[in-house]
Amino acid sequence: NAGVTQTPKFQVLKTGQSMTLQCAQDMNHEYMSWYRQDPGMGLRLIHYSVGAGITDQGEVPNGYNVSRSTTEDFPLRLLSAAPSQTSVYFCASSTGRTDTQYFGPGTRLTVL
Amino acid sequence: SQQGEEDPQALSIQEGENATMNCSYKTSINNLQWYRQNSGRGLVHLILIRSNEREKHSGRLRVTLDTSKKSSSLLITASRAADTASYFCATVSAGDDKIIFGKGTRLHILP
Repeated sequence: NAGVTQTPKFQVLKTGQSMTLQCAQDMNHEYMSWYRQDPGMGLRLIHYSVGAGITDQGEVPNGYNVSRSTTEDFPLRLLSAAPSQTSVYFCASSTGRTDTQYFGPGTRLTVL
Repeated sequence: SQQGEEDPQALSIQEGENATMNCSYKTSINNLQWYRQNSGRGLVHLILIRSNEREKHSGRLRVTLDTSKKSSSLLITASRAADTASYFCATVSAGDDKIIFGKGTRLHILP
């Protein structure tokens, strides 16, 4: 099993550009989530999904969109990138919302 | 709002010594989870301890939970250079099942 995969590993955007961060898991997990990690802030939940077709907002959802058309994939879209979105983004999956989270390797995003 | 708070923020010890990190939280929990993050990598799950459990072991790791004090500790015995990493606690709140990560403890093992 590959576990949780994320692409790209690194990305540089200009302010106002849009892009999609990809996340996929092959563990048949129902629950998937996106976090951002900033220095001194720990991990903050952006959006999550409890199954295909179902998504909900986390702690810091503004500026991000998600969709969940399949169990395996959970892309995160930045609509109009801002410097405040410079961060490391992690995707995670688990069997259920309260269970052990399996994390991807992360995407380091810089917005100029 | 932040739930789990790790203490200390940073810790340096000699190889072979034991390392202890603490996590305090504010509201009732369903379970508490500890994760490790090596530099530039994703988080890796270490131990999950449920609210009705008091202690769990995994190899050189020992986790305790005191729900009356709303605190948990992670003990790493006989530390090794490879244990150098950041360690995070994550609390799953009872009721709404929200999982919230703390800011982490940076552990540095000195050779």
